[in-house]
Parts: sequence; structure tokens; C-alpha cells
Amino acid sequence: GAVVSQHPSRVICKSGTSVKIECRSLDFQATTMFWYRQFPKQSLMLMATSNEGSKATYEQGVEKDKFLINHASLTLSTLTVTSAHPEDSSFYICSARARVDEQYFGPGTRLTVT
Amino acid sequence: AQSVTQPDIHITVSEGASLELRCNYSYGATPYLFWYVQSPGQGLQLLLKYFSGDTLVQGIKGFEAEFKRSQSSFNLRKPSVHWSDAAEYFCAVGTNAGKSTFGDGTTLTVKP
Repeated sequence: GAVVSQHPSRVICKSGTSVKIECRSLDFQATTMFWYRQFPKQSLMLMATSNEGSKATYEQGVEKDKFLINHASLTLSTLTVTSAHPEDSSFYICSARARVDEQYFGPGTRLTVT
Repeated sequence: AQSVTQPDIHITVSEGASLELRCNYSYGATPYLFWYVQSPGQGLQLLLKYFSGDTLVQGIKGFEAEFKRSQSSFNLRKPSVHWSDAAEYFCAVGTNAGKSTFGDGTTLTVKP
């Protein structure tokens, strides 16, 4: 099956700094990628839809200036958490869409802001 | 807007017993329905999906699900649970645009 990777798998950063998370589709091209956030013991919440070559579409309530998304190629999307604060600590998961009925999830990135 | 309800937050079954996880959805058009499994600290693995056609869908690891339009349900079943099935299970409904809305999940515990 198709593989999606995320890097890093875990990151700890200090409050006020920025951190970038990469999402790559390893063996297929994905014109659309999605970024989700998951709090402990909770479900996944869609943050934004990332389309290759265009601006991301953010869900209501998600600060686009805080969560910068770039989808520069058909295999790479990045999420940058700017000026991170402890409340941004979470599990971030990306997914890549191969077809309308096929979406593959990355293994997730655990962000801890101290 | 679409929504998904998983009524059972936590289910405990004995190893070898049968399992049914419930999922109800709300969506205005024909839904794309998915079941995913997540182990602690891991990403999601697709168990099965319903797109169209046969309403009984077979998935990986011996799981199956049945789409019932009249009940807006997509329940997941397994005839005999293994200890390795203990995990978090998410039901999701997807749109043509690929967006997925997830239920709150059901935690499965398997007793030896």
C-alpha cells in the first residue's frame, strides 16, 4: 500500500520558537494533503487542506498565521507552527489523498512546547 | 455538514469473542465511509471503506462492516477478537473533496 511519512516523529521546542513538520507521500503523488490535530484521548480534528501549488484552505477556528502550510510539490507538504505555545502541544497527523476514496495517513508527529 | 457518532466510548471483550463497534453518520449525499484503527502514539491504519456497491465490506485483519442507509449506520464487526486488536477505532465519513470527519473513537480492550 501507499506510504506517507512524517518528520520528525517527536519534537520538543521552547515557547516562542517555530517548528516545521514535513509530510511526504513516498510512492505516489498527492495533489491534496490534509493536516489533522489530535489531543490525547480525542478524535482527529481537520485543521486544513493543502493543495499543491495553491494556498491552503483552513477550517474554521484555525489560525492560518499560526499554522503555516506549504505544499510545494506533489509529494511534500509542510506545517510550520509559528511562535509555539504550550497549548499548541499536540499530536499532528497528515494524510495524503491518492484518489477520492483513498487517503493514507502519516504516523504522526508529537509536538511538545515547553 | 457531515458528522459521525460512535456511541460506545469504551468496549471490553474477551479474546475469541465477537465484536461489534457502532457508527452512525449524518451526511446529505451518498457517503464515503471508513473505519480506521490507531495504536497508542501511532498514525491511522485503514481497516476498510465503503464507497458504493455491496453494502457488506470486507477489510483487513478479519474485519467487516455493513452499510445500512436506512439506519445511517456503518457498524464494524469481527467474529473472533485477538489480543492484538486492542486499540482505538475511528469511524469516518468522507466527502468528494477528500475531507474526512471522524467520530470520537471507541477504545477496545481485550481480556485474556
